[in-house]
Amino acid sequence: QQQVKQSPQSLIVQKGGIPIINCAYENTAFDYFPWYQQFPGKGPALLIAIRPDVSEKKEGRFTISFNKSAKQFSLHIMDSQPGDSATYFCAATFTGGGNKLTFGTGTQLKVEL
Amino acid sequence: DTAVSQTPKYLVTQMGNDKSIKCEQNLGHDTMYWYKQDSKKFLKIMFSYNNKELIINETVPNRFSPKSPDKAHLNLHINSLELGDSAVYFCASSHAGSSTDTQYFGPGTRLTVL
Repeated sequence: QQQVKQSPQSLIVQKGGIPIINCAYENTAFDYFPWYQQFPGKGPALLIAIRPDVSEKKEGRFTISFNKSAKQFSLHIMDSQPGDSATYFCAATFTGGGNKLTFGTGTQLKVEL
Repeated sequence: DTAVSQTPKYLVTQMGNDKSIKCEQNLGHDTMYWYKQDSKKFLKIMFSYNNKELIINETVPNRFSPKSPDKAHLNLHINSLELGDSAVYFCASSHAGSSTDTQYFGPGTRLTVL
C-alpha cells in the first residue's frame, strides 16, 4: 500500500515555467512533510519542509502548499531553471516514528531552455 | 569534507555471494539509516540505528544485517545475494531520531547482482 501518492511521474517545462508536483497521503498521523531533490548519481537532499499547521511555506523559488483537510500538498518551483532538472520526492513522517520517512514515488522534472 | 560517505560506490557480484557496504558520517549525528532505491527510483527505508541501537527494522529479509560498531558507522551486510537485491543503497544520518531532523544522504552504492 502506497501511503504517499505522488504525481506526475515525469514533467517537462520550459525555462521560466512553474512546475507543480502533487502529493496525497492517507495516514493522518503524519505531521511533517519534507521534499527531497535528487540529481543523477547523487543521494537525495532536503529541499524544503512543512508542518500541517501551516498552509504555505516559501523558500527562495520553492513553495509548498498544504491542504490538511484534503490530505494533499504540492511543490511549486517558480521561474524554473535547467539546473532544477532532477527527481523530486515528497515524503512524510510522524512524531514518535523514529524519523521514518515514507517517500512518494518521485517526479522526474526536466526544464528545457 | 564528505558528510556521509559510502564504500564502495559500485558493487557487481554473483548470486549467492555475501557482500558488505560501509557507511560513515562525520556530522556528529546520533542516528543513521539505510534506504533501498529500486530500478523505478522508489525509496524505502530498511533500518535505522540511534546511538548503536536498532530503532527501525522494516520488513527486510534476514539476509540483510546492519551493524553499527559506533555511532559514526553503520554497515550493511547482505548474505546469499539474489537478483532482486540489485538496487542503489543509500546511507543517511540525522542529528537525532526526531521527525523534524533533516536526514543527510550519502552518494549511494549501486549493487548489481548477476
